[in-house]
Amino acid sequence: KAGVTQTPRYLIKTRGQQVTLSCSPISGHRSVSWYQQTPGQGLQFLFEYFSETQRNKGNFPGRFSGRQFSNSRSEMNVSTLELGDSALYLCASTPTGGSTEAFFGQGTRLTVV
Amino acid sequence: QKEVEQNSGPLSVPEGAIASLNCTYSDRVSQSFFWYRQYSGKSPELIMSIYSNGDKEDGRFTAQLNKASQYVSLLIRDSQPSDSATYLCASESSASKIIFGSGTRLSIRP
Repeated sequence: KAGVTQTPRYLIKTRGQQVTLSCSPISGHRSVSWYQQTPGQGLQFLFEYFSETQRNKGNFPGRFSGRQFSNSRSEMNVSTLELGDSALYLCASTPTGGSTEAFFGQGTRLTVV
Repeated sequence: QKEVEQNSGPLSVPEGAIASLNCTYSDRVSQSFFWYRQYSGKSPELIMSIYSNGDKEDGRFTAQLNKASQYVSLLIRDSQPSDSATYLCASESSASKIIFGSGTRLSIRP
């Protein structure tokens, strides 16, 4: 069974640009959560999607958005990039979200210059 | 106050000894708790989940949950150098989202 797949693995963008990251969950998993990981802040919850609907949202500005498609694949978009957005972005999938175990992809390392 | 708190470490333990990692959480209605291991440059890997008060054992790992005191711990017996990593404690919050602590760096010295 394939794991969680995130693309691209690495990305370098310039301040002010926008970026879209992709996450394909484990087959049969319907919930996808996104996290930002930085050395100073640890793993911070961005949002969770379940059946194409955003079910939970963390405390991030509106520049961070996401969506989920009917095949459960999810994308995350960050507009007007800032230097502080440089981080490892991780997605995790669970069968139904919430109280079941989450499995992470390898992450996308975003560097904003 | 952070929702899930861990001592950042580093925690240094001799090879073969027991490593004890602790975590406290603030949301009393949390029902599900998880321990993840993260090697440097890698993504977190689930090693234990626990939902009921008491102990849960899996190989060299034992997770302990005390809901009255709002703490979760992870014991690693017969510690090996390959156990050196950052250990992340996580809880499912009342909003059905998983919140992570900042992690404890564990170092097993030969």
